[in-house]
Amino acid sequence: KQEVTQIPAALSVPEGENLVLNCSFTDSAIYNLQWFRQDPGKGLTSLLLIQSSQREQTSGRLNASLDKSSGRSTLYIAASQPGDSATYLCAKVEYGNKLVFGAGTILRVKS
Amino acid sequence: DTEVTQTPKHLVMGMTNKKSLKCEQHMGHRAMYWYKQKAKKPPELMFVYSYEKLSINESVPSRFSPECPNSSLLNLHLHALQPEDSALYLCASSRQGFAGANVLTFGAGSRLTVL
Repeated sequence: KQEVTQIPAALSVPEGENLVLNCSFTDSAIYNLQWFRQDPGKGLTSLLLIQSSQREQTSGRLNASLDKSSGRSTLYIAASQPGDSATYLCAKVEYGNKLVFGAGTILRVKS
Repeated sequence: DTEVTQTPKHLVMGMTNKKSLKCEQHMGHRAMYWYKQKAKKPPELMFVYSYEKLSINESVPSRFSPECPNSSLLNLHLHALQPEDSALYLCASSRQGFAGANVLTFGAGSRLTVL
């Protein structure tokens, strides 16, 4: 059973485009939802955390939304840059601060 | 200091070896985690320590033995591993180990190869 699903699995866009990454999850009894970035062979960098009582969070060119009732979150990246190329992971946060990750979206921004 | 430091960065070991992975943070976080990430897969939780006590063990084989000597340090002792245990082992920490706005801070990982 796939608890967290991310679509698309891979995305290639020209520099400057605005883009949306999608995350859906089963079980609306989540505490938080967290978005991460991972560069090849590296650890994870936290981008945004949305508490279950919130609907969105913003940091610079990134905006993440959360709709618990439909089990969905989106990460919006404005004016994409080649440096944004990485794998983006969403994770639902369960009791005990246990994270359940999606398989990720591999993003490539072409210059 | 806002980092989680993991050592070693790379480790190659035989199936009969005993080795350890080390994780350290000085952010005053009271929860620490081990995750395992196989190639091209998402990270999977192995263990959670909260206030130096093991709070979650995701049915991890006993050849992996975690240890939390103090609130800043987390070890993962490895013994009699199998080649399929080769992976990137990620350590993380958070302010607390239970529900709340607890952002996890991850280390860069230790890449383990078992021959």
